[in-house]
Amino acid sequence: KNEVEQSPQNLTAQEGEFITINCSYSVGISALHWLQQHPGGGIVSLFMLSSGKKKHGRLIATINIQEKHSSLHITASHPRDSAVYICAVPIMNYGGSQGNLIFGKGTKLSVKP
Amino acid sequence: DGGITQSPKYLFRKEGQNVTLSCEQNLNHDAMYWYRQDPGQGLRLIYYSQIVNDFQKGDIAEGYSVSREKKESFPLTVTSAQKNPTAFYLCASSVAGTGGLPLHFGNGTRLTVT
Repeated sequence: KNEVEQSPQNLTAQEGEFITINCSYSVGISALHWLQQHPGGGIVSLFMLSSGKKKHGRLIATINIQEKHSSLHITASHPRDSAVYICAVPIMNYGGSQGNLIFGKGTKLSVKP
Repeated sequence: DGGITQSPKYLFRKEGQNVTLSCEQNLNHDAMYWYRQDPGQGLRLIYYSQIVNDFQKGDIAEGYSVSREKKESFPLTVTSAQKNPTAFYLCASSVAGTGGLPLHFGNGTRLTVT
């Protein structure tokens, strides 16, 4: 069972629409990571958050630790936002070592002009 | 600018050959990671290293080997023992002791074995 679930799997929007991508997890975590993967394959970090909300430009990430849920919002979406959005959480006490993350399968976003 | 460099971007090999993927970082990060990405699946950890001359197996280490002789470099060898080597491989790094977050990724190497 995948311990990080993202929804939706695929999302098509018109330019200007408000986008929400959801991430639910079943493990206890210290922080959650939102990543963006462009069509070429490169991945960039968008947010790392452990509580509340973070905002960067048109992107907003929220997390509710009690409900084990995070959302990534994109306001005034644009075709250049088209990418795969991935959430990841660290595994606590993985074999006594740090460093392993559980990744969601990603949400593929396509924004049409 | 600091970053992670993976080379080459595309790699083609014949079945039965070992192949080594390069990963270099100039972020002064202690921790480095190798992930594999297959269509429709989340990234899966192959190997990681928290410090020079030490590395740990991840979830799917079989058929792979790594070395960490220098802080900046963490090459991955895909051996002929790896049954399904065709995939997209991503290298990442982070500050050690942070639970692996935040991660900085390279642009990946797409390996095709025929």
